[in-house]
Amino acid sequence: AQKITQTQPGMFVQEKEAVTLDCTYDTSDPSYGLFWYKQPSSGEMIFLIYQGSYDQQNATEGRYSLNFQKARKSANLVISASQLGDSAMYFCAMREGIGEAAGNKLTFGGGTRVLVKP
Amino acid sequence: DTAVSQTPKYLVTQMGNDKSIKCEQNLGHDTMYWYKQDSKKFLKIMFSYNNKELIINETVPNRFSPKSPDKAHLNLHINSLELGDSAVYFCASSPRTRGRAFFGQGTRLTVV
Repeated sequence: AQKITQTQPGMFVQEKEAVTLDCTYDTSDPSYGLFWYKQPSSGEMIFLIYQGSYDQQNATEGRYSLNFQKARKSANLVISASQLGDSAMYFCAMREGIGEAAGNKLTFGGGTRVLVKP
Repeated sequence: DTAVSQTPKYLVTQMGNDKSIKCEQNLGHDTMYWYKQDSKKFLKIMFSYNNKELIINETVPNRFSPKSPDKAHLNLHINSLELGDSAVYFCASSPRTRGRAFFGQGTRLTVV
């Protein structure tokens, strides 16, 4: 079974509008972290936002916010006021467990390609 | 002041050759990784090292051998390259047990 599922392979968004990127995850570990990364066409992986499983508040970083619904195991990324530079692949990722045994590895979803239209 | 740097950025080589990709981080992190991104953009972990000790090896063929001379460096050596090894290889690092991963800029390996 997929641990991280991103159901939207691609989407268009109008400049200045908000966009929500879906991410659902599957884990039986009570301790986990959820991450979103952006990969522009230049190829680098840019960290956007993090949500810990025990965090009470939804994470926010500037125009990025994470809609964390623990019971539904979803961690959707919301980008407000889209800009042309937001056009990129977006990856949701999960780290399960804590401590050295967990290895701290990230499991990635398949990604969502976002194209912002002027 | 690059946090995680990997070289080379591009690598084109023939089948059967042996090649290495080097990675260095200046963040003082204990944990380093190699990830592979295939042609469909899917990212999967290959190896994870914690303070020079291998802790994750995700069913990667023996032709791939990581080496960590110290905790700031994690190199990837690939023997007998195959066409299917063509991909983008990312090095990353993170603090020991938690915290986000910082990625290098990737090495695009093309095997012809």
